[in-house]
Amino acid sequence: SQQGEEDPQALSIQEGENATMNCSYKTSINNLQWYRQNSGRGLVHLILIRSNEREKHSGRLRVTLDTSKKSSSLLITASRAADTASYFCATGRGSGYSTLTFGKGTMLLVSP
Amino acid sequence: SAVISQKPSRDICQRGTSLTIQCQVDSQVTMMFWYRQQPGQSLTLIATANQGSEATYESGFVIDKFPISRPNLTFSTLTVSNMSPEDSSIYLCSVSSSPSGGLTDTQYFGPGTRLTVL
Repeated sequence: SQQGEEDPQALSIQEGENATMNCSYKTSINNLQWYRQNSGRGLVHLILIRSNEREKHSGRLRVTLDTSKKSSSLLITASRAADTASYFCATGRGSGYSTLTFGKGTMLLVSP
Repeated sequence: SAVISQKPSRDICQRGTSLTIQCQVDSQVTMMFWYRQQPGQSLTLIATANQGSEATYESGFVIDKFPISRPNLTFSTLTVSNMSPEDSSIYLCSVSSSPSGGLTDTQYFGPGTRLTVL
């Protein structure tokens, strides 16, 4: 069953604007990962944040994690047309190793 | 990061037949995972394939329908058996970033196999 819920389901912005996507989950996690998928192709890993971390940066990406609210956000700054894709959060759970439970995803459209 | 390849990249099959999907990794890994992505949907974990033991299936998935082999540390297959149109999906394999798997490992995904069942 899906644990994560992303919002918004779809987001349309202009190039240069920032895009913020949110993810909520229900149970305790080991980590939370964000992925990008272009047109039903393979998933590209963007960033992983551990359960004891609150914020991580990678290039134009900023991820926050609030375990008390069971939520995470992905911020893409200065967006480009090439950022157009579906974005998924996935929560890692389990003992010994983590398995991922994916949210429903946010479809981002960046217009030139 | 691991380089993962899948074969075939896509296929169109008739109902009632079976298709075996191959997943090859360029490094040795203990844990491999198989996911399904139905049209317009998110990904759902089918099973975890640990080399040297039986695959562990998630609720709603059974070995008779999705038999998995894991003959060595770099290869796995997923078979979709007795297919119906509802099996039309993208099937993806993934691996953990560390060879033995861990709680905070990154998971990397293969390019996927797009299956259409007529």
